Amino acid sequence: EADIYQTPRYLVIGTGKKITLECSQTMGHDKMYWYQQDPGMELHLIHYSYGVNSTEKGDLSSESTVSRIRTEHFPLTLESARPSHTSQYLCASSESISALREKLFFGSGTQLSVL
Amino acid sequence: KNEVEQSPQNLTAQEGEFITINCSYSVGISALHWLQQHPGGGIVSLFMLSSGKKKHGRLIATINIQEKHSSLHITASHPRDSAVYICAVFLMNYGGSQGNLIFGKGTKLSVKP
Repeated sequence: EADIYQTPRYLVIGTGKKITLECSQTMGHDKMYWYQQDPGMELHLIHYSYGVNSTEKGDLSSESTVSRIRTEHFPLTLESARPSHTSQYLCASSESISALREKLFFGSGTQLSVL
Repeated sequence: KNEVEQSPQNLTAQEGEFITINCSYSVGISALHWLQQHPGGGIVSLFMLSSGKKKHGRLIATINIQEKHSSLHITASHPRDSAVYICAVFLMNYGGSQGNLIFGKGTKLSVKP
């Protein structure tokens, strides 16, 4: 059973608003990820983290920021939402069990619509 | 060139058919996952593989490390199997904007009754 939670599930906001998408996991995983996915399209990495106070930008990070102050929490912030940000945002976490085994879990996603 | 290639991109099958989805990769990996995504839904990991073969119900996944190839098989396919299946690999060596986890483009499977 996956213990990774995203809120809100759906969000409709106006252009220019600042928003934060929440992601929490209770599995103690060090690695966490944010992906953007348009309908029928592949996943694009926005940000990732390998642990507390460690964050890296993905290919699609330019208009968002993340923080990792606690292991379990990895929020994504859009400072000024635009219609081009309309998409599904998926959070994931992973853990290395051994050198050749890595668990991977996804949240249910946040569907964002910017008007 | 994509480091993870999946085929086919789209697949339509009749209920009961045996289905195979393929994934080839060109990088060193520590583990490979087969993921399932239903329309409008989240993503779940069906299998984690680093060698050999795994079976769960009607689903079978295999990996050949030497050939850098994995397959996902569905026996006796059913309409509820209709989903997008994604191959994901954890890289042995990683960093930068790519991160440690890369995905295939997915295979959209539609099983007709």
